[in-house]
Amino acid sequence: NAGVTQTPKFQVLKTGQSMTLQCAQDMNHEYMSWYRQDPGMGLRLIHYSVGAGITDQGEVPNGYNVSRSTTEDFPLRLLSAAPSQTSVYFCASSYRKNTEAFFGQGTRLTVV
Amino acid sequence: AQSVTQPDIHITVSEGASLELRCNYSYGATPYLFWYVQSPGQGLQLLLKYFSGDTLVQGIKGFEAEFKRSQSSFNLRKPSVHWSDAAEYFCAVGVFQWEYGNKLVFGAGTILRVKS
Repeated sequence: NAGVTQTPKFQVLKTGQSMTLQCAQDMNHEYMSWYRQDPGMGLRLIHYSVGAGITDQGEVPNGYNVSRSTTEDFPLRLLSAAPSQTSVYFCASSYRKNTEAFFGQGTRLTVV
Repeated sequence: AQSVTQPDIHITVSEGASLELRCNYSYGATPYLFWYVQSPGQGLQLLLKYFSGDTLVQGIKGFEAEFKRSQSSFNLRKPSVHWSDAAEYFCAVGVFQWEYGNKLVFGAGTILRVKS
């Protein structure tokens, strides 16, 4: 079982460039979310979604966009990369309310 | 607002010794609590979870955690640590919103080092 798949695993961007981090899950989970992980700060929620067409902002949404056109996919778009967005990004999915989240392997992004 | 505090940034224990990682949460409703472990360069793996019922929950790899409502705590324990337990551990509280689904609020993490 693939679970939650994130691509790419590593990425280097120049300041001002845009890119999309891909996330796909094959568990038919309704809920999906994006987190960023920074040293000493744990994981912070960027955006989350309860199903196709419904998304909301988390704790640190600035500079990021999301959309959810299918149950399986939840891409995260960086509109104009900044060095402050250097981080490890995790996508997660869960089956229903108040159930555990399953995480992807992460994308390590460096903005220079 | 919800929050999770893990007071210990680093902990070092000897192999075979017991372990307790502390976690305190702030949440107005009944909490849904989780412990995740992250090995270097890896994603997060669920160790255990508390939803309701017995306040002592068992997880994978010999870990357990005890929910204490009066202390707003959910401490993780293991009676005998193995070198392979060296990793970073995250406590999290689950928050659900009817319109937009699940989200997790994480603590800052505790890095466990195991010395032989």
